[in-house]
Parts: sequence; C-alpha cells; structure tokens
Amino acid sequence: GAVVSQHPSWVICKSGTSVKIECRSLDFQATTMFWYRQFPKQSLMLMATSNEGSKATYEQGVEKDKFLINHASLTLSTLTVTSAHPEDSSFYICSARELAGGSDTQYFGPGTRLTVL
Amino acid sequence: GQNIDQPTEMTATEGAIVQINCTYQTSGFNGLFWYQQHAGEAPTFLSYNVLDGLEEKGRFSSFLSRSKGYSYLLLKELQMKDSASYLCAPQDSNYQLIWGAGTKLIIKP
Repeated sequence: GAVVSQHPSWVICKSGTSVKIECRSLDFQATTMFWYRQFPKQSLMLMATSNEGSKATYEQGVEKDKFLINHASLTLSTLTVTSAHPEDSSFYICSARELAGGSDTQYFGPGTRLTVL
Repeated sequence: GQNIDQPTEMTATEGAIVQINCTYQTSGFNGLFWYQQHAGEAPTFLSYNVLDGLEEKGRFSSFLSRSKGYSYLLLKELQMKDSASYLCAPQDSNYQLIWGAGTKLIIKP
C-alpha cells in the first residue's frame, strides 16, 4: 500500500524557536495533504488542508501565521510551527490523499511528537 | 518490518453485531488505537488499549492480545450512521503510529 513518511519523528525544542515538520508521500503523488493535531486519547483535530501549488486552507481557530504550511511539490508538504511555546507540544500527524483508479484514499503518516520546553 | 492487517470491507445489517479484526507486527508496542472515519472527515478516536483484555464503551468495545498481536473492535446494535471506515493503529516503541489501511463498514437496513 501507499506510504507516507514524516520527519522528524520526534523533536524537543526551546520555547521561541521554530520547528519544521516534513510530510512525504513515498510512492504516489498527492495533490492534497492534511495536517492534524492529536492530544492524548483524543480524536485527530484537522488543522489545515494543504494543496500543491496553492495556499493552505486553515480550520477555524488555527493561526495560519503560527502554523505555516507549504506544499512545495506533489510529494512534499511541510508544517512549520513558528515561535513554539509549551502549549504547542503535541502529536502532529499528516495524511496524503491519493486519487487513483476511481478511488479516493487517505494515507496517514506515523506522526511527529513535538515537545516544547 | 511493521505491518497491519485488517479486512478491506465488511457488510452488516442494522441492529446486528460486527467484529472488525486487526493483526499487527510492530517494533515494540505502546498501545493500539481504533479510529472511525467518515468520508471527508477527520478520524474520530474510539478506543485505546495498552493492556490485554476487553475495554467496553457503550456500543463499542475493543479487545487486545499483545502476545498474539491481535485486536478487534466490536460494534453492537449497529446503526446506519456506523457506516464508515475503521482504522487500527498500534504505536511502536517510538510512539509512532502504524496505520492499517482501514476497514470500510457498510451497514444495510
């Protein structure tokens, strides 16, 4: 099946620094990628929808200047958490949408655990 | 390698019971999640098992056997709104989620 990777898998940073998380579709092209945030034992919260070559669409309540998304190619989207603070500590998960053969499937990445000190 | 296996699709009748199985192989283990995902929506958390046994939550129950690398999600008193994809996702030793392809559950009247 299709594979989505994230890098890094975990990161610890100091408050005030910026962190970039990469999401890659390894064996398919994804015109659309999604970024989620997950708190312990809770549902995935959609943060934004990333479309290749255009601006991301952010969900209500998500600060676009704080969570910068760039969908640079059909296989790569990045999420940059700018000026991170401890409340940004969370598990960030991306997914990539594959449209092929009449099917519409979403594949999830393994997640990136961010800890802000 | 790491691998998740769950049925691609299942069909059940409204009011009935259905069991969705998931077998996994991971590098280490730190619990297993079940999510429900309706088309076009974000996955909704259903359950988290880290110890062997059955966890019951309303109409949904989840079972885990770590020694067998096996879990199942049991849905009772099925309703039409339960038609969705169900995702099994164990966490490995690095707390990375290993995603199954999901089981599409179709509920018929």
